[in-house]
Amino acid sequence: GNSVTQMEGPVTLSEEAFLTINCTYTATGYPSLFWYVQYPGEGLQLLLKATKADDKGSNKGFEATYRKETTSFHLEKGSVQVSDSAVYFCALENSGGGADGLTFGKGTHLIIQP
Amino acid sequence: DTAVSQTPKYLVTQMGNDKSIKCEQNLGHDTMYWYKQDSKKFLKIMFSYNNKELIINETVPNRFSPKSPDKAHLNLHINSLELGDSAVYFCASRDTSGGPQETQYFGPGTRLLVL
Repeated sequence: GNSVTQMEGPVTLSEEAFLTINCTYTATGYPSLFWYVQYPGEGLQLLLKATKADDKGSNKGFEATYRKETTSFHLEKGSVQVSDSAVYFCALENSGGGADGLTFGKGTHLIIQP
Repeated sequence: DTAVSQTPKYLVTQMGNDKSIKCEQNLGHDTMYWYKQDSKKFLKIMFSYNNKELIINETVPNRFSPKSPDKAHLNLHINSLELGDSAVYFCASRDTSGGPQETQYFGPGTRLLVL
């Protein structure tokens, strides 16, 4: 079956530091890959996605590249802000069209200190 | 306009009670989902409905019964609530006819606390 593994936090960084949150996956075929963000007390927001190998998703300064050879989709940001503090989820969707839903990693709690 | 809405936002109830959570989407999507987020923030799919028909039913106790009266609604009814049902329940929807370019849209969540 599908699975997503991501580094568990909390990850604590200072403002303007470089961020990497690792994510690797196991799936058959060619899944789509996602990063979702959950701010305290709120729902899930799509941060970025990639639907095929070597695609790069980007949004709000965050980037992730779909690496099929290493089955990875690591999230990066060059300079984090306090407002980036949240829980980040890596997820995948089967290539079958989405009816199966998303498989999520366990989430990484990111804390940015001023 | 809210794309995916859930009611209620908070639900506090006693063990043994029966409760329902409602979900509506106004995006014209053909597939709707229920996810459960436990106290450790782990998210897991419970059900998936496509055009009112059940597609996915993960290992969920049969006390949980989803009902889809039409394509825009997927309600979750829970019988004989237990302490372990306390969680945040998220509804989501997607246009699965659109291929991999489409994404899921999530509702704001319903925070259920069973006492």
